[in-house]
Amino acid sequence: EAGVAQSPRYKIIEKRQSVAFWCNPISGHATLYWYQQILGQGPKLLIQFQNNGVVDDSQLPKDRFSAERLKGVDSTLKIQPAKLEDSAVYLCASSLVPDSGNTIYFGEGSWLTVV
Amino acid sequence: TQLLEQSPQFLSIQEGENLTVYCNSSSVFSSLQWYRQEPGEGPVLLVTVVTGGEVKKLKRLTFQFGDARKDSSLHITAAQPGDTGLYLCAGATGNQFYFGTGTSLTVIP
Repeated sequence: EAGVAQSPRYKIIEKRQSVAFWCNPISGHATLYWYQQILGQGPKLLIQFQNNGVVDDSQLPKDRFSAERLKGVDSTLKIQPAKLEDSAVYLCASSLVPDSGNTIYFGEGSWLTVV
Repeated sequence: TQLLEQSPQFLSIQEGENLTVYCNSSSVFSSLQWYRQEPGEGPVLLVTVVTGGEVKKLKRLTFQFGDARKDSSLHITAAQPGDTGLYLCAGATGNQFYFGTGTSLTVIP
């Protein structure tokens, strides 16, 4: 079974530029998550989709971050304009409905450095 | 708001020693997962526990879910350098997962 696919793996941009990350979840997983992870810390949820609807985007900095999952499968996360503090790993994950026993599966992450 | 607190935050031990990592919350979870993350990689699932009081063993790793399903522990016996990494707990409640603060483990040969 193919895992969660993310691209690009690494990106270096200057502050105030824009960047987009792409995610393809595990086939059949209705729930898709975008997390931001600062080195050495636990992941912080940015946005959670159930199919193509947003379940939780309370921690998404909406003045600069946006995400979409138009057809309920692939998703993109965009940052515009980027700030230095956006340097982090952006993890995409997917799961069946987050019910008892179900598990989140992560992609390898997209590493962003803003200079 | 951080629902899940892990302790310790950092741990550096010698090869062969035992250790325990704790994941605590005031919230009840329907299930709890433990992940290990190595540098440059995404978190990889180690175990899922769903029943209060449940104990699962994975080779030298022992996972326990608290009776009230609010906390969990991970015990590693005879740690090896390959155990080095960031250990994360994550609890599922309602339709969401919440991650712990993380424990960074270094095992020195």
